[in-house]
Amino acid sequence: QVQLVESGGGVVQPGRSLRLSCAASGFTFSSYAMHWVRQAPGKGLEWVAAVSYDGSNKYYADSVKGRFTISRDTSKNMLSLQMNSLRDEDTAVYYCARAKDGMVFGFFDYWGQGSLVSVSS
Amino acid sequence: EIVLTQSPATLSLSPGERATLSCRASQSVSSYLAWYQQKPGQAPRLLIYDASNRATGIPARFSGSGSGTDFTLTISSLEPEDFAVYYCQQRSNWPQITFGQGTRLEIK
Repeated sequence: QVQLVESGGGVVQPGRSLRLSCAASGFTFSSYAMHWVRQAPGKGLEWVAAVSYDGSNKYYADSVKGRFTISRDTSKNMLSLQMNSLRDEDTAVYYCARAKDGMVFGFFDYWGQGSLVSVSS
Repeated sequence: EIVLTQSPATLSLSPGERATLSCRASQSVSSYLAWYQQKPGQAPRLLIYDASNRATGIPARFSGSGSGTDFTLTISSLEPEDFAVYYCQQRSNWPQITFGQGTRLEIK
C-alpha cells in the first residue's frame, strides 16, 4: 500500500534552516510528481512546492520562492524540502503528497501524516 | 491567483440528513476542481476529482457537480464519520494551485 512518511520537523529560530524528508513506499516513486502542502495551526491548506516525476521541473508558491528548495532522490524513494530563512509565518504542519495519474499538477491522491515545523525565537 | 470561496463556513446537520457544500471560483476553472475531507489530527483525503469523479474507495453517498465557477459537494445521507472539514482545490491555474478556506460540517 502507498505510504508517505515525513520527518525532520521541529522548533527553529527565525532566519534559520530546516530540512524535511518524505519517505515513499508502495508505489513506483519515479513515475509520480510530488508536492509539499502546508497547514498553519487552525488554518486551511496552502500549496508550497512541486517537483516533476524525474526531478527536472520544480515549482514554488510565491510565499516560499527563493527560500525553499524541493528535491527528490529516486534511488532512495525520498522527497525533500530544504527550508532556509525561515519566518514566523512558515509555522505549519507540512504534508508531502502524491500527484494523481502521473500529472505534475494532478490532484493529491495520497498524503503523509504531516511534520510540524514551528518557527519561534 | 484564483480565489475559491466556500460556503457556508459551518454547516450543522444531523446524521441521515443531506449535506450540500458550495465552492465558488473567482474565474473559471473548467472542471479542474477537487474536494478533500480532513478530520482532526489527520491528513486530507481526496474525495472527488475533476469536479464529479469519486476517488478510489469513496462511498457513493459522496457526489460532486459543477463546472466553470460554481461547484457543489453533496453527501446524500450523513454518517457519523462524515463530520469533518471539507476543502475544495483547483488546479486549472497551475502552478498556482489554491484551496478554499474550508467548510466545517458539524453534528447538530
